[in-house]
Amino acid sequence: DAGVTQSPTHLIKTRGQQVTLRCSPKSGHDTVSWYQQALGQGPQFIFQYYEEEERQRGNFPDRFSGHQFPNYSSELNVNALLLGDSALYLCASRRTESGYNSPLHFGNGTRLTVT
Amino acid sequence: AQKITQTQPGMFVQEKEAVTLDCTYDTSDPSYGLFWYKQPSSGEMIFLIYQGSYDQQNATEGRYSLNFQKARKSANLVISASQLGDSAMYFCAMEQGAQKLVFGQGTRLTINP
Repeated sequence: DAGVTQSPTHLIKTRGQQVTLRCSPKSGHDTVSWYQQALGQGPQFIFQYYEEEERQRGNFPDRFSGHQFPNYSSELNVNALLLGDSALYLCASRRTESGYNSPLHFGNGTRLTVT
Repeated sequence: AQKITQTQPGMFVQEKEAVTLDCTYDTSDPSYGLFWYKQPSSGEMIFLIYQGSYDQQNATEGRYSLNFQKARKSANLVISASQLGDSAMYFCAMEQGAQKLVFGQGTRLTINP
């Protein structure tokens, strides 16, 4: 049973470029959330997708956008990259029916470096 | 607003000793969940233990237990008989409503042989 998988594992981009990160949720999970983790910090919530719609959004600018596909996989897009966007991006999934007292399952993350 | 505070940036413990990682939280909502995650250097966040705000007993999962003191708004993680593989970052997190986790700053735990 595959867990949450993210690709790519590492990425180097230049300021001003655009990037797309991908996530496949754990089998049977239908809700996907994205978190940004700066070096030495705890993860910060970016947004959550369920039934192909953005359901919740954290305090991130519109440069951060996402998508969820019918197979529940998800993409995170970041436009006009800034140096401050360098971070580990974590994808997490959960089965909605399990309720919010069930743990989020996280992937290994994508480490984005903006130069 | 929800807030999680972890006041120990780093902890050093001898192998086989027990260790307590501190976590305090702030919320005005009576319904919430508290989680602890372990993050090794690989980056993955590994779920350890969960405590619901209405749970009467402290949660336990193998060597992990959660010392939940609701009146003091604390949810400390206790690891018994620590092992070298326990060396990692540990994050306390809180969830209210629909599945958004708020994380603390983390504690880096180092187990010495």
